[in-house]
Amino acid sequence: EAQVTQNPRYLITVTGKKLTVTCSQNMNHEYMSWYRQDPGLGLRQIYYSMNVEVTDKGDVPEGYKVSRKEKRNFPLILESPSPNQTSLYFCASSLTGSGNTIYFGEGSWLTVV
Amino acid sequence: KQEVTQIPAALSVPEGENLVLNCSFTDSAIYNLQWFRQDPGKGLTSLLLIQSSQREQTSGRLNASLDKSSGRSTLYIAASQPGDSATYLCAAYGGSQGNLIFGKGTKLSVKP
Repeated sequence: EAQVTQNPRYLITVTGKKLTVTCSQNMNHEYMSWYRQDPGLGLRQIYYSMNVEVTDKGDVPEGYKVSRKEKRNFPLILESPSPNQTSLYFCASSLTGSGNTIYFGEGSWLTVV
Repeated sequence: KQEVTQIPAALSVPEGENLVLNCSFTDSAIYNLQWFRQDPGKGLTSLLLIQSSQREQTSGRLNASLDKSSGRSTLYIAASQPGDSATYLCAAYGGSQGNLIFGKGTKLSVKP
């Protein structure tokens, strides 16, 4: 079954404590991306990756890091989380970056206190 | 910079009604436009993908159209059902491949 899997699904953490949200896809997709969703602001792209070792900033990259060392995984790293990073995070993937259906993970609810 | 707008923000209709959701975008140089459905607390599910060279796509009771010259796309839902209740989002790529811009969505409620 085609899947994009995110972990953890729910997390409460404290300000400044580094955390990583993992994302894995089993469809051999080249393109992967991270979004955050906030009430009134909608879905905003954080980072995206067109292929292994190729990453680019989206619209709201500040405070986040990513890496793409292998095709199936695209972790999102919050080096020093702050309360304004409390949000619902989604990982997504597609075969390529512009012409194909996009598949989303179930989301990760992150609260920073 | 690409901006994507969806109107209305919320819509309530009785079951069985045909309805149209609107999506507008500012940069007509798009690769494609996609429509998604999101149920509360869930991820997004792709409904329809219209390539820039296409005018419309159909899937079951859903039909999406694309008019690049006017910067508009519409999602037509025929014979709406309570199970169609969800938030519908459209998305277009920004200035570069991979940079996907979403509208804020239309929250649809279909009353039995």
